[in-house]
Amino acid sequence: DAKTTQPPSMDCAEGRAANLPCNHSTISGNEYVYWYRQIHSQGPQYIIHGLKNNETNEMASLIITEDRKSSTLILPHATLRDTAVYYCIVRNQGGKLIFGQGTELSVKP
Amino acid sequence: KAGVTQTPRYLIKTRGQQVTLSCSPISGHRSVSWYQQTPGQGLQFLFEYFSETQRNKGNFPGRFSGRQFSNSRSEMNVSTLELGDSALYLCASSVNGEFYNSPLHFGNGTRLTVT
Repeated sequence: DAKTTQPPSMDCAEGRAANLPCNHSTISGNEYVYWYRQIHSQGPQYIIHGLKNNETNEMASLIITEDRKSSTLILPHATLRDTAVYYCIVRNQGGKLIFGQGTELSVKP
Repeated sequence: KAGVTQTPRYLIKTRGQQVTLSCSPISGHRSVSWYQQTPGQGLQFLFEYFSETQRNKGNFPGRFSGRQFSNSRSEMNVSTLELGDSALYLCASSVNGEFYNSPLHFGNGTRLTVT
């Protein structure tokens, strides 16, 4: 599975958009980009995934660059409850999820 | 739809003992995966079961084993517990874990402490 690179931490003001970047420069054609988050003492929560097109659901938007070497998770109006560790994962068919260290997002009032 | 259920939520064992953890997947999900999470190593894949067969395995010693029942429920067993086995054990289910377009959904884990 391809490796991902994320900043270790980020801050965001409550009510503003949180843009979390992820670099996956070695991604191959059939690998999906997945985003999960983990709030302390809970299991990882699935957020969104995509292959090459931008995706949006009720939680977030996923923007994948045309060359697929990087992506950005967007939380449009961050709340204090969005404070968590966010994991960007590249996964191929039959592949297990390989979690990196993730980005610790702190949403501040 | 009920989420992934793991029991027990907390467990304290002593070195040398064995432990069995249980996982009930989301209804309709046939794949169950197990992960270990520790502060030092992060989230690490243990194994995956589909239709009662182990389909993928991570790099853990043979003391870690699992099984899946016909109703897709799964159990994980750790024998001869070591202090280093203290961790959060997470179970995740998906419709069919092998397909890259099938998200995994996690339970809240079992916190195992070995003393």
